[in-house]
Amino acid sequence: TQLLEQSPQFLSIQEGENLTVYCNSSSVFSSLQWYRQEPGEGPVLLVTVVTGGEVKKLKRLTFQFGDARKDSSLHITAAQPGDTGLYLCAGNTGFQKLVFGTGTRLLVSP
Amino acid sequence: DVKVTQSSRYLVKRTGEKVFLECVQDMDHENMFWYRQDPGLGLRLIYFSYDVKMKEKGDIPEGYSVSREKKERFSLILESASTNQTSMYLCASKDKLNTEAFFGQGTRLTVV
Repeated sequence: TQLLEQSPQFLSIQEGENLTVYCNSSSVFSSLQWYRQEPGEGPVLLVTVVTGGEVKKLKRLTFQFGDARKDSSLHITAAQPGDTGLYLCAGNTGFQKLVFGTGTRLLVSP
Repeated sequence: DVKVTQSSRYLVKRTGEKVFLECVQDMDHENMFWYRQDPGLGLRLIYFSYDVKMKEKGDIPEGYSVSREKKERFSLILESASTNQTSMYLCASKDKLNTEAFFGQGTRLTVV
């Protein structure tokens, strides 16, 4: 079983604060994705990173893929209540399987 | 618009019952997946299918089976439900050439 560990497991912050979520593995992935899941819904894709060292930005969200393609981070600048949700990283094994991380639950209070 | 539909949002079943969870996608995707989601454990893969009548075990297949008789439909079967199978079940599909997975809204199953 390929494990993707996320940290922290839970984060509660005030609106306007910055935060970083980490996704780590001992395995190498051909690509890595970040999803966000809201209550009562399935996860929805935010971004896919493919190249080691790659950085992608989506408005206030910055995603980075580690040089060795084993880890990734998600940084949110000036968090807003609308950012509240469960953030999941997922690694593509190259055999059509997606392996998901343990999840980070983010709560942003006004 | 892309759509993955799971047959039930909520289900309550008794221990020992045979349970069917149905998933239908309208995107002509080759790959379909069943995950179970538990707090602190993320999504764990139960089974996936890469073509009609083809299936592969995921990380936690014990107590489950699957059926894929048509490309658009992937069923998860609990042969004899047990209380430790109480969980949120998520179905997903994806095209074999792309990495993005599309999820259904989930089925919250309670086994009593």
